[in-house]
Amino acid sequence: GAGVSQSPSNKVTEKGKDVELRCDPISGHTALYWYRQSLGQGLEFLIYFQGNSAPDKSGLPSDRFSAERTGGSVSTLTIQRTQQEDSAVYLCASSLQERNTIYFGEGSWLTVV
Amino acid sequence: GDSVTQMEGPVTLSEEAFLTINCTYTATGYPSLFWYVQYPGEGLQLLLKATKADDKGSNKGFEATYRKETTSFHLEKGSVQVSDSAVYFCALSARGSQGNLIFGKGTKLSVKP
Repeated sequence: GAGVSQSPSNKVTEKGKDVELRCDPISGHTALYWYRQSLGQGLEFLIYFQGNSAPDKSGLPSDRFSAERTGGSVSTLTIQRTQQEDSAVYLCASSLQERNTIYFGEGSWLTVV
Repeated sequence: GDSVTQMEGPVTLSEEAFLTINCTYTATGYPSLFWYVQYPGEGLQLLLKATKADDKGSNKGFEATYRKETTSFHLEKGSVQVSDSAVYFCALSARGSQGNLIFGKGTKLSVKP
């Protein structure tokens, strides 16, 4: 597609449930990023994938968060045993390679009730 | 660690007014600097960038100059329009990093006719 595609655009889940958020980067982009945007916290870096290298997971807030990227393209961010503080917009972004301009998707709005 | 500080909003202006949104940064070395914009209901979009000291980024009538001596990257526009209403984020990408962006908390701009 023309841009970074994310799904679902909105997700409401019960506390304690697991959720999966999907990101389809721009075709040919080797670098993929996940960020979290929450009220009062701004935009926080979560995880970064570059090609076949080991991902940089330094921004993941707890071991309930994980992400994978299959075949160097689509990525899934998984949050296990969701908590109310996980409510936020999860943004995916990609770039042609590291240090190029980063393009963002429209985000997945997660609400944990 | 590296950080970005931008003026808190919201900022409300009348159409054709002059806009300044202040942004200062803390980083080791010489980062690249960015302004991203998020229009209502849309994803983050790159507005402009500057990669070295004294560079001026410009787009859509917006400008920002990379000032090493004051570690600043203030966003300006001479005459705002209603369509400029959005949230503006200042960000940096540190030298030697994989291109990961560190964001300010965002400034909401509302322009009234």
